[in-house]
Amino acid sequence: QKEVEQDPGPLSVPEGAIVSLNCTYSNSAFQYFMWYRQYSRKGPELLMYTYSSGNKEDGRFTAQVDKSSKYISLFIRDSQPSDSATYLCAMASGGYNKLIFGAGTRLAVHP
Amino acid sequence: DSGVTQTPKHLITATGQRVTLRCSPRSGDLSVYWYQQSLDQGLQFLIQYYNGEERAKGNILERFSAQQFPDLHSELNLSSLELGDSALYFCASSAPIAGGTDTQYFGPGTRLTVL
Repeated sequence: QKEVEQDPGPLSVPEGAIVSLNCTYSNSAFQYFMWYRQYSRKGPELLMYTYSSGNKEDGRFTAQVDKSSKYISLFIRDSQPSDSATYLCAMASGGYNKLIFGAGTRLAVHP
Repeated sequence: DSGVTQTPKHLITATGQRVTLRCSPRSGDLSVYWYQQSLDQGLQFLIQYYNGEERAKGNILERFSAQQFPDLHSELNLSSLELGDSALYFCASSAPIAGGTDTQYFGPGTRLTVL
């Protein structure tokens, strides 16, 4: 079993929809949770960073962490075609530690 | 633009050969990470350096090695290349944030094709 599970999709939604992306994990030592966006053949771009449980909002993006369920989510409101990309969740157990990535979910937002 | 630079962008070589990938971290970042991204394995951590010293190793093959130089740039050396080494290789550098941890910023990657 992988440490981080993420449905690879693809996920196809119409423009303006609310998108929900999720990851589950098995390692209870994970404390730091990140979401990266990766356009085709580009480097991953950091979108959201959260520590421990709770919610964090940044513009149209909201990250949620539920450590009791070992479940993290990223919500995208008012999705745009420019949001079409692969979204990767990543986790670390401590500062300056390697990131463990999910497989990534491919998202397509149609006009 | 993350501020992390990687060269070359593309590399095509033959099996058995050796290549060197180069990474320059963001200004002021002391920590450099190398990751490999392939279709079947996703993004996998290879190795980390902090201020010139190796800090952590992941699933890095013995044919692969890395180093970080005094100016903080890093090189990843891949030798005796095999077809299965074809992948995207990313470098990330990290910046400290409040609480004693860091966030990693990725470079554009080097696409390696082994024929």
